[in-house]
Amino acid sequence: EPEVTQTPSHQVTQMGQEVILRCVPISNHLYFYWYRQILGQKVEFLVSFYNNEISEKSEIFDDQFSVERPDGSNFTLKIRSTKLEDSAMYFCASSGLLAHTLGNEQFFGPGTRLTVL
Amino acid sequence: DAKTTQPNSMESNEEEPVHLPCNHSTISGTDYIHWYRQLPSQGPEYVIHGLTSNVNNRMASLAIAEDRKSSTLILHRATLRDAAVYYCILRDRQTGANNLFFGTGTRLTVIP
Repeated sequence: EPEVTQTPSHQVTQMGQEVILRCVPISNHLYFYWYRQILGQKVEFLVSFYNNEISEKSEIFDDQFSVERPDGSNFTLKIRSTKLEDSAMYFCASSGLLAHTLGNEQFFGPGTRLTVL
Repeated sequence: DAKTTQPNSMESNEEEPVHLPCNHSTISGTDYIHWYRQLPSQGPEYVIHGLTSNVNNRMASLAIAEDRKSSTLILHRATLRDAAVYYCILRDRQTGANNLFFGTGTRLTVIP
């Protein structure tokens, strides 16, 4: 069964450093997402991406964040200058169809745990 | 997205049915009802979704009230692997918005 993969599984970085989190969505999917979950808290939407551009973003997704689909398979989340409060689990997801069609479920990766020291 | 209300936690004995309720009294006519779950240390996982009629799939059943103001996710025989946080999420099929808004969900504990 196809699945979303994410690398690395755990990233430790110093405050102020740049990090890039990588995701390989399911190959025929069209929509890509990043979510995050701070330890013990809710899963929060960050950004959605379709047709090589951001389609929606939350208030969390400020200028420190960017996303990119550099080739046909990878989808990346970059945090330019990490802060302590960026420590969280980051989940990538993908879906294949438009929201108003059936079968539009999102498939999530296993997550990258980001620890900012 | 319209708001949903779920109990914080529930317990079930292994191999017994589990009924997880969700209230969504402000649901609009164009909202789908989605259920996801998050097993410990994993990403969320799609379970089921429906609009008006009850739905069944290999994982669960979804019973939707006639007025659509509530729904119930039914696990027919709980296993230890079903211990997870279950999220009831409304998604508007007209706006085209794809992002999911997760609440706090219901933490299901399965007792062996």
